[in-house]
Amino acid sequence: DTGVSQNPRHKITKRGQNVTFRCDPISEHNRLYWYRQTLGQGPEFLTYFQNEAQLEKSRLLSDRFSAERPKGSFSTLEIQRTEQGDSAMYLCASSLGQGLPYEQYFGPGTRLTVT
Amino acid sequence: AQKVTQAQTEISVVEKEDVTLDCVYETRDTTYYLFWYKQPPSGELVFLIRRNSFDEQNEISGRYSWNFQKSTSSFNFTITASQVVDSAVYFCALYPSGTYKYIFGTGTRLKVLA
Repeated sequence: DTGVSQNPRHKITKRGQNVTFRCDPISEHNRLYWYRQTLGQGPEFLTYFQNEAQLEKSRLLSDRFSAERPKGSFSTLEIQRTEQGDSAMYLCASSLGQGLPYEQYFGPGTRLTVT
Repeated sequence: AQKVTQAQTEISVVEKEDVTLDCVYETRDTTYYLFWYKQPPSGELVFLIRRNSFDEQNEISGRYSWNFQKSTSSFNFTITASQVVDSAVYFCALYPSGTYKYIFGTGTRLKVLA
């Protein structure tokens, strides 16, 4: 078990470009979360998957953000037409469970810089 | 509104001192969960504890202890005999019922000086 992995670790892009991040959760974990974290702030919830189903999405998330988890394994987060305000660390976390909230295992994050 | 407040932005202590990190939460739910996570300088958040709203027993794990008080909506975290390796940002989080969303506080940066 190598933990949650995220790729790339760093991404620099120009405003207006699209970017896609990948998250590979711990293999037996059915729950997957995406968060955004900016300097001096806690992780901000973006979206949640239970297996392949996207069950919750933050109202703060604009239509430029989309996430998928095909086959309930890895997940991708895409940001279209990036803006400077999208610059942040994007974190992925996975956990077990159906009902109770179990501990989340976080990945190292993808740091996005929009120039 | 559902919210987590960590009023202490940064705390500095000298090694071996005890330190308490405060967490105050807001929710109207009767069933909810509270968590503490540690984010060391390496960056990855690490789970420390989960507590449900029906269990107000304090918990001790080694040098770590947690005090949950529903009457004051607080879930404070104490490190006894702090060590340099405890230096990190600590986050308190709320998981209300009826949602899959974790609500994190803004974190408290703890610096333990040798």
